[in-house]
Amino acid sequence: SQTIHQWPATLVQPVGSPLSLECTVEGTSNPNLYWYRQAAGRGLQLLFYSVGIGQISSEVPQNLSASRPQDRQFILSSKKLLLSDSGFYLCAWSDITGVEQYFGPGTRLTVT
Amino acid sequence: AQKVTQAQTEISVVEKEDVTLDCVYETRDTTYYLFWYKQPPSGELVFLIRRNSFDEQNEISGRYSWNFQKSTSSFNFTITASQVVDSAVYFCALSEPWGDMRFGAGTRLTVKP
Repeated sequence: SQTIHQWPATLVQPVGSPLSLECTVEGTSNPNLYWYRQAAGRGLQLLFYSVGIGQISSEVPQNLSASRPQDRQFILSSKKLLLSDSGFYLCAWSDITGVEQYFGPGTRLTVT
Repeated sequence: AQKVTQAQTEISVVEKEDVTLDCVYETRDTTYYLFWYKQPPSGELVFLIRRNSFDEQNEISGRYSWNFQKSTSSFNFTITASQVVDSAVYFCALSEPWGDMRFGAGTRLTVKP
């Protein structure tokens, strides 16, 4: 069966520091991968999605970036965090059709 | 373009009351899929149901039921005899083959004892 992992589970970082969140999927090949952000009390915002290694599409311009160095690994990064980057970050995967997405446990990021 | 609207931002009920969460969607495709997810305080999204556009049959699962009506582009979710453990944020979502999944803004349900 497929599983999706995210780490760290929680993170507290000062403004201006770098960020690296990791997501890995097991039990499937060639998944579509997604990064979402949920600000406090808000809905889900799609940040990035990837249909293959090295292929990244950005939905929202911001100081975040994503990379997919391996088929089942998706990384969310920032060179300098802003206060507004605080939130709950969810990684998800789907098969090639993208019909249904399966979510990881999330990372709660607090920028101080 | 896809759009999902959950007009109810917050709902508060007393335990054992029935509650309906509304979801209205927009899409130009004839083939699409609708979902409900539950997000408890822990944050993880819990899948509740998926319906495809060709199946308007309503579904009941224990205290949960879903009413899919293409004529009004709605996919409403009812919890019967609510319990405190039902307190969570509930998201409605729409996806199309080869497209993105779009989420509504979510409805925060609080069930008081």
